[in-house]
Amino acid sequence: QVQLVQSGAEVKKPGSSVKVSCKTSEGTFSNYAISWVRQAPGQGLEWMGGIIGMFGTTSYAQKFQGRVTITADKSTSLTYMELGSLRSDDTAVYYCARGNTYYYDSLAYWGQGTLVTVSS
Amino acid sequence: DIQMTQSPSSLSASVGDRVTITCRASQGINNYLAWYQQRPGKVPRLLIYAASTLQSGVPSRFSGSGSGTDFTLTISSLQPEDVATYYCQRYNSAPQTFGQGTKVEI
Repeated sequence: QVQLVQSGAEVKKPGSSVKVSCKTSEGTFSNYAISWVRQAPGQGLEWMGGIIGMFGTTSYAQKFQGRVTITADKSTSLTYMELGSLRSDDTAVYYCARGNTYYYDSLAYWGQGTLVTVSS
Repeated sequence: DIQMTQSPSSLSASVGDRVTITCRASQGINNYLAWYQQRPGKVPRLLIYAASTLQSGVPSRFSGSGSGTDFTLTISSLQPEDVATYYCQRYNSAPQTFGQGTKVEI
């Protein structure tokens, strides 16, 4: 059974950075793309970016360009999402998710979510 | 970037009612359209992909249709456990934009 397990909740100061990890438990890591999606309190889902495991190439939503970096370590099946210059409106639950193909597929598998709170 | 617009933003219906949610893409996306259900406090769940293909384990009262720019999610007979927010999403290229969501209540 495919599982995506994320790192724990974080509390950060404005202006700092946060790095959230996502470990995939099954399947060859290189065969899939991992997306990162966030959800602010009471708000909708927002696709932030993703990484194609096979090539290591990344794509980011324009809104987050320059502030977000997604990386992956194939040897450990870990994907990371780092968001910098944090603001209070970055307070959200951050999800990693995966489809069933190597590219940006529909997201059949989701991590449990990581709450990031940005507060002074 | 392609924008995804859902309507309505919320609806209230009775148990057993037929419910329809629409999603419109600002450009044609063929059938690269997924629907997700997010129950309160839960992780999103994939319901439908390729516009009309039911994900394994999803009840058959859910169905999807459409191609190009206009898509529909239908719940044929609303059940209490269907109270949730539903999102459409275009995929197969980045950015994988979501619609703003439709909250379904009973």
